Amino acid sequence: NAGVTQTPKFQVLKTGQSMTLQCAQDMNHEYMSWYRQDPGMGLRLIHYSVGAGITDQGEVPNGYNVSRSTTEDFPLRLLSAAPSQTSVYFCASSSKTLTLFGPGTRLLVL
Amino acid sequence: GQNIDQPTEMTATEGAIVQINCTYQTSGFNGLFWYQQHAGEAPTFLSYNVLDGLEEKGRFSSFLSRSKGYSYLLLKELQMKDSASYLCAVRNSGNTPLVFGKGTRLSVIA
Repeated sequence: NAGVTQTPKFQVLKTGQSMTLQCAQDMNHEYMSWYRQDPGMGLRLIHYSVGAGITDQGEVPNGYNVSRSTTEDFPLRLLSAAPSQTSVYFCASSSKTLTLFGPGTRLLVL
Repeated sequence: GQNIDQPTEMTATEGAIVQINCTYQTSGFNGLFWYQQHAGEAPTFLSYNVLDGLEEKGRFSSFLSRSKGYSYLLLKELQMKDSASYLCAVRNSGNTPLVFGKGTRLSVIA
């Protein structure tokens, strides 16, 4: 039982490049979400999903896309990276009483 | 709107007791969560309160008063390894995403 896994751990991008942050969970949770964490800002919700085929926007969705084709996977796509997207990204998987986080992806956009 | 407030920083002495407060104003309420986050790591789950009262788990306890929009995390017999950020988060309703406060950075000194 791996819990929540994320890849890559670290990534450096140039402005304008695109990439996908991968997230997977093996707990059969319907609910998954993506947060970014910046110094002094706390965890801010980007997008979330309440089940396969269903996604919705969070507090800071601009510049990011998501899809949920399976219960297990919830990738986050940066279409055209900007320096403002330099951050640590956490994927989370939830039951009604517990939200577990993946180890995070540190992204630097130059 | 939604607002979750907690102190930015606290310092306490090894072996002592510390209380970290959290006040919230949210559009609904379906549970309050506390997480611990060491520097450079992902948040890890500490406690969950949905009914008023105290939940105790080893050296850590969490209290909730729904009528006051107030919670606290109590850490007893502080150890150096308890130096971390402590995040308060609220679930508004059903299985909606957690909304986080900005976290309290606790430093435990000898």
